[in-house]
Order: sequence, then structure tokens, then C-alpha cells
Amino acid sequence: EVQLVESGGGLVQPGGSLRLSCAASGFTFNNYEMNWVRQAPGKGLEWISYISTSGSIIYYADSVKGRFTISRDNAKNSLYLQMNSLRAEDTAVYYCARKATSAGFGFDYWGEGTLVTVSS
Amino acid sequence: SYELTQPPSVSVSPRQTATITCSGDKLGDKYACWYQQKPGQSPVLVIYQDNRRPSGIPERFSGSNSGNTATLTISGTQAMDEADYYCQAWDSSTVVFGGGTKLTVL
Repeated sequence: EVQLVESGGGLVQPGGSLRLSCAASGFTFNNYEMNWVRQAPGKGLEWISYISTSGSIIYYADSVKGRFTISRDNAKNSLYLQMNSLRAEDTAVYYCARKATSAGFGFDYWGEGTLVTVSS
Repeated sequence: SYELTQPPSVSVSPRQTATITCSGDKLGDKYACWYQQKPGQSPVLVIYQDNRRPSGIPERFSGSNSGNTATLTISGTQAMDEADYYCQAWDSSTVVFGGGTKLTVL
């Protein structure tokens, strides 16, 4: 059974940092591209970052570029998101989602999400 | 930046056909995907590559994509289909989601 389990969320002050993790199981992790998607309370989905199977290709949304860093450890079947200089508008549920490598494939498995609250 | 536009809400009667649109510049030249999200749950992929259904998604869900519009069609809509629906596409090196459509089954 495919599972993605996020952790690391919590309450952080503006300007602070958090590191999110996503533990993957039930599939060959290094065969899949991975993404982080967030959802602010009561709002829609916002993609924030992508990483290729090897980690050699990385993309970010403009809203987080320069502040967030995505990475993966294929030996540990884990995906990470280092979040620095956090702002109130970063408050959201953060999901990790996998994607097959072929074009046009969507995000076929999502974790349950971890809530990040940025507030003083 | 690339934008995908969806109607905020769509209403449908049970057993009727629901149609949700997603508009974007030359969207038909890209692949579109659709996600269903129920309250308190993670999104679920219901359509990928414009019109393909993942395993386990009922046949009543179908998709199309041409010109500037992708369309999600739910035939014989059931009460359990009431949810938020999001379209998604890749534009260059970024992923774009539509703003979401709340489907109400009256």
C-alpha cells in the first residue's frame, strides 16, 4: 500500500524556520518525482515545489523561491522541505504528493498533510 | 504567470450530468488533470492526461481538453460526488492549479 506521511509542522513565529519531512512507503521511491503542495485555511491548492527522481532538477513557485528548499534522500525514502523566513501567509496544510515521470501524469498519491501555523 | 480559471460553484441534481470547466491560454496544448477534495480530506486524482481515469475512479468521471478549456464531466452525479474540484496543468517548469469549483448536489 502506497503511503506518504508528512511530519514536522507546528506553530512558528514570523521569520522562523521549520523542516517538513515526508516518509514514503509501499512503492519504489526513487522512481517517482515528488512535490509539495499547500492549502491555506479555507483556500485552494497551491503548488510550491518539485523535485526530480534523482534530485537533480528542482522547481519552486515564486511565492517561496529563495526561502524554501526541497530535497530528497532516496536511501531513506524521504522527502523534505526546509522553510526559512516564514511569513503569516505561509500558514497552511502542507502536502507531499508523488507523480509518475511521464508527461501529463498527475499527483496520484497525497499524504494527509501537516499544518504549519506562522504566528506571533 | 499562467492562470487557470474555474467557476467558483456548480450545482447539479442527483443522477444528472455535472460539467466543470477550466480555462487557460492554449490549455489544450498542455495536459490537464483534475482532483476531487472532500472536506477534511486530501485531494484525490480523478483525471490525468486530459481524459484518463486512475484505477478505482468510477466511469462516470470523464475529461476533455481542447482550445483554451478543459472540462470535467460527471455523468449520473451522486451525492457522494459533492466536493471541491481542482484542475491542474504544467506551464513550463511550474505547476498551476485552478482556483477550485465547489460542486453541490442538490
